[in-house]
Amino acid sequence: GIQVEQSPPDLILQEGANSTLRCNFSDSVNNLQWFHQNPWGQLINLFYIPSGTKQNGRLSATTVATERYSLLYISSSQTTDSGVYFCAVERGAQKLVFGQGTRLTINP
Amino acid sequence: NAGVTQTPKFQVLKTGQSMTLQCAQDMNHNSMYWYRQDPGMGLRLIYYSASEGTTDKGEVPNGYNVSRLNKREFSLRLESAAPSQTSVYFCASSQTRGGGWNEQFFGPGTRLTVL
Repeated sequence: GIQVEQSPPDLILQEGANSTLRCNFSDSVNNLQWFHQNPWGQLINLFYIPSGTKQNGRLSATTVATERYSLLYISSSQTTDSGVYFCAVERGAQKLVFGQGTRLTINP
Repeated sequence: NAGVTQTPKFQVLKTGQSMTLQCAQDMNHNSMYWYRQDPGMGLRLIYYSASEGTTDKGEVPNGYNVSRLNKREFSLRLESAAPSQTSVYFCASSQTRGGGWNEQFFGPGTRLTVL
C-alpha cells in the first residue's frame, strides 16, 4: 500500500518562529489533507489540498503532486499551534492513509 | 450543525465484554468511517461505509463489526474486547463526489480502555 512519511517527527520552537512541515508519499494520490490534533485529542481540518497552494491566515500549504510531497507552513507561531500535525492521503476507494505525524511544541 | 458526534467519550471494559460505539453526522454525508489511533501513531482505518447499506473493511478490521443504521448513523461493535483494542476511536464522514472529492471530517473521539 501507499506509504506516507512526515518530517521532522518532533519540532520545538519559540513563539514567533516560522516552521515548515513535510509530507512525502510513495504513489500518486487523489486527495491529501492536513490536520492539527490539539492537546485534547481533537482533529481539526486544516487543508484539503490534492494539488496547488492554499492559505488560511498564518498557515499555508503546497502540494506538488507530480513530485509526491506536500508542505505545511506555519508563520509567526503561537503556543496554541502546539500539537501533532498529520498528513493523510487517499489513493482511491475513499481510504485515508495517515502519516505518523509531526509533534510541534511552541514555547512562550 | 453539530458535525460528527460520538458516544461515549470514555469507556473502560474488562476483557471479553462487548460494547457498541455510536457515531452520527448531520451534514448529510454519504460516506462514513471508523478509525483507531494508538499512542504516538497516526489513525488507521477499521471499516468504512461508502453509502447507506454498504460497508467495507479497512486496514485493521479484525475484532470489529459495523452497522450503517441509516444515512446519519454508523456504529462500531466490539463483540469480545481484548486489551489490544485499547485505543482512541474516531468516526469521520465525507460527501464523496465525482472526480474524487472526499474531504473527511472527524468526531471528537472515544477513549477506550480494555483491562
